[in-house]
Amino acid sequence: EIQMVESGGGSVQPGTSLRLSCTASGFRFSDHAVSWFRQAPGKGLEWVGFIRTTNEGEGRDYAASVKGRFTISRDYSKNIAYLQMDSLKIEDTAVYYCTREGVPGFEFDYWGQGTLVTVSS
Amino acid sequence: DIQMTQSPSSLSASIGDRVTITCRASQDISNFLNWFQLKPGKAPKLLIYHTSNLETGVPSRFGGSRSGTDFTFTISSLQPEDFATYYCLQYEKVPYTLGQGTRLEI
Repeated sequence: EIQMVESGGGSVQPGTSLRLSCTASGFRFSDHAVSWFRQAPGKGLEWVGFIRTTNEGEGRDYAASVKGRFTISRDYSKNIAYLQMDSLKIEDTAVYYCTREGVPGFEFDYWGQGTLVTVSS
Repeated sequence: DIQMTQSPSSLSASIGDRVTITCRASQDISNFLNWFQLKPGKAPKLLIYHTSNLETGVPSRFGGSRSGTDFTFTISSLQPEDFATYYCLQYEKVPYTLGQGTRLEI
């Protein structure tokens, strides 16, 4: 069974850091890019960033709202993609989701239930 | 960035109704558009991929089409479980961008 499971969310203060994990199972993790999305309370879905595969040079890209503060990485031995969030702002409060992509016909097809990040003083 | 203009933002409908949601892209995105359903507390669910392809396991009452940069999502006969929020996503160009969402209510 294919699964994407997010974890690591919590309540933190502005200016601090948090690392989210996205644990993949049931498919060849190394074949797929991973994207992160988020949904702030009462707002729509927003793409956060992605990381490509080794074959694609593990290219990364990010939304302007998080560029320079968020970093995506991946561990092929553990089938985990990480979202390192630094210099957190109140407006980063959201449910964060991960999903796989990058293979035609298998893009954004499996998502986790999300992990809540609350940034508050 | 590619802007995705989704309409309507909300929609009231009844069981059995035919519903149409549209997304207009600000530039050509070919067929790189998906439609998703969101319900509170649940994982986003892919319904339509690459403009018009029905995801495995999704009922055939859901459909998608394209005319130029206008994309249409249709539910042919609303069922109780369809009341949710729907989003389009373009992945032709980075940054990926989504429509504002359509909240479908009874």
